[in-house]
Amino acid sequence: EDQVTQSPEALRLQEGESSSLNCSYTVSGLRGLFWYRQDPGKGPEFLFTLYSAGEEKEKERLKATLTKKESFLHITAPKPEDSATYLCAVRSDNYGQNFVFGPGTRLSVLP
Amino acid sequence: GAGVSQSPSNKVTEKGKDVELRCDPISGHTALYWYRQRLGQGLEFLIYFQGNSAPDKSGLPSDRFSAERTGESVSTLTIQRTQQEDSAVYLCASSSSQVMKTQYFGPGTRLLVL
Repeated sequence: EDQVTQSPEALRLQEGESSSLNCSYTVSGLRGLFWYRQDPGKGPEFLFTLYSAGEEKEKERLKATLTKKESFLHITAPKPEDSATYLCAVRSDNYGQNFVFGPGTRLSVLP
Repeated sequence: GAGVSQSPSNKVTEKGKDVELRCDPISGHTALYWYRQRLGQGLEFLIYFQGNSAPDKSGLPSDRFSAERTGESVSTLTIQRTQQEDSAVYLCASSSSQVMKTQYFGPGTRLLVL
């Protein structure tokens, strides 16, 4: 059975303190790994899609990387507005068109 | 339209009542998904529509849950005889190309069953 876990569950950073969030997956035939940001009371907002090990994507202070077993979301010099829950999801051969989501990491960036 | 829209944004109902939730996907998006998100938890897949193909209902938790979609447009999720454990945010997402399959989410409907 496909599984997606995320760590840490919650993370508190000072403004400017860089860190990384982890998404570990166990799937048969990865067809894509997706990162989303979710603000309280809102739907998830798409950030990145990664398809193969070694792939990297960047957007402002965020960079996502992918290996055969995990993905990292690196946050460089975060600002308070980066505070949100970050979700990862995978598509795999087992689930066809469906996505399996991880539980998320709640990030708080303090000024 | 600019994005996925859902209505109502909030719904309070009494246990045993039926509720209907609506999703308007992005125009031209052939795929539509429904998810449930309980407080403090991740997204739980419910149902998937792709064009005129038979929907994938494998995530529906019970026969009280059903969903319909007219062509490639609006979808409705119906919960019959609601229970308190149905209280959650119900999220709808749509996507386009077969290759990218990036989902774009609506703001959700917050359902509270008293």
